[in-house]
Amino acid sequence: QSVLTQSPSVSGAPGQRVTISCTGSSSNIGAGYDVHWYQQLPGTAPKVLIYANTNRPSGVPDRFSGSKSGTSASLAITGLQAEDEADYYCQSYDSSLSNWVFGGGTKLTVL
Amino acid sequence: QVELQESGPGLVTPSQTLSLTCTVSGGSISSGSYYWSWIRQPAGKGLEYIGRIYTSGSTNYTPTNYNPSLKSRVTISADTSKNEFSLKLSSVTAADTAVYYCARIVNTDWFDPWGQGTLVTVSS
Repeated sequence: QSVLTQSPSVSGAPGQRVTISCTGSSSNIGAGYDVHWYQQLPGTAPKVLIYANTNRPSGVPDRFSGSKSGTSASLAITGLQAEDEADYYCQSYDSSLSNWVFGGGTKLTVL
Repeated sequence: QVELQESGPGLVTPSQTLSLTCTVSGGSISSGSYYWSWIRQPAGKGLEYIGRIYTSGSTNYTPTNYNPSLKSRVTISADTSKNEFSLKLSSVTAADTAVYYCARIVNTDWFDPWGQGTLVTVSS
């Protein structure tokens, strides 16, 4: 059971918009700790997609965006492309565990 | 740019100690600007933070932080002369079979970059 909760799967057709949610608690996201998102393509290591809630590293398309509110955060992907098919993980810090924590991951399928 | 590369045995016998090394290139682990961490991922499952170490070349101060669920079995150390850090996980069982990643922690907050990962199987 992950400290941060994500839906196991989401799907969308090419060109559509999808959102992936990440729900935490008062000891992590709700405590004000930033949320970061990672993309893990099949057979590869995770790569940071969004850091500090809303920031995109250089090279990440602006089709990817992040937001945070209360004890939750979301990753939005617009203009879905086949290459976006991957697992997506959220990550934050938890003060009660004194640890970095991850969501369980969401598998995005592009139909 | 900084790159990380994991190395170590791919097969470990149950009850023995898993030992992995992460070699860092393109930057110094003793710059004092980052934490250096280990994360693992069992096949088909999510990511689990194992622990991290901080190093500063000017002192022997290398504080560590471990996941409470693994703390009794984990040791992370660093060799600044080789620009690498290591993971030891004792008394392993099949549940420790996973891909093990090393990663830099930026701003004491997010993990970037990651090594390519190395699969460790615990089996007799």
